[in-house]
Amino acid sequence: QKEVEQNSGPLSVPEGAIASLNCTYSDRVSQSFFWYRQYSGKSPELIMSIYSNGDKEDGRFTAQLNKASQYVSLLIRDSQPSDSATYLCAVGAGGTSYGKLTFGQGTILTVHP
Amino acid sequence: DAGVIQSPRHEVTEMGQEVTLRCKPISGHDYLFWYRQTMMRGLELLIYFNNNVPIDDSGMPEDRFSAKMPNASFSTLKIQPSEPRDSAVYFCASSKRGGYQPQHFGDGTRLSIL
Repeated sequence: QKEVEQNSGPLSVPEGAIASLNCTYSDRVSQSFFWYRQYSGKSPELIMSIYSNGDKEDGRFTAQLNKASQYVSLLIRDSQPSDSATYLCAVGAGGTSYGKLTFGQGTILTVHP
Repeated sequence: DAGVIQSPRHEVTEMGQEVTLRCKPISGHDYLFWYRQTMMRGLELLIYFNNNVPIDDSGMPEDRFSAKMPNASFSTLKIQPSEPRDSAVYFCASSKRGGYQPQHFGDGTRLSIL
């Protein structure tokens, strides 16, 4: 069983729509959660971090965390073609593995005009 | 502020040659991570350091791979001898306070072993 799983893609949405990206994780002691965006041929770029249950908003991006359900999501409102990229969910390890991030396999998002 | 700096950006070499990848973390960051990314396997953690000390090298695929961090501002990942299956993009990342702070990635080294 994978430690961090993301909804299978690719995901295609029209410009202006809401894109919803989901991620589940298995390590119950995880305390930190991140979303990275990776354009083709580029390195992962941090777009959101979340540590507490609930929602965190930053511009058009909203991260949602539910530790009881071991679930984290990213909503992108008013999607733009420039949002087309691979989105990586990353979960900070707890316990003896403190320091590590475990990444999901990524979800490819395409926003079409 | 300067980000994570990796060199070289691209490396093409023949099978059997030694390959050395270099990384300079962000100043003040005490964690450094080496990743490998391929289409088939995604982003894999190879090894990470805390305060220049290797903490977890369980992701290093074989003894052909080695990594060092002689000081807080420099790390190397070496492959000797290299094989075609080592072809991938290798990323270095750094962070403060490990898992509670995000990792910041360098631009990566695209490695091709012929």
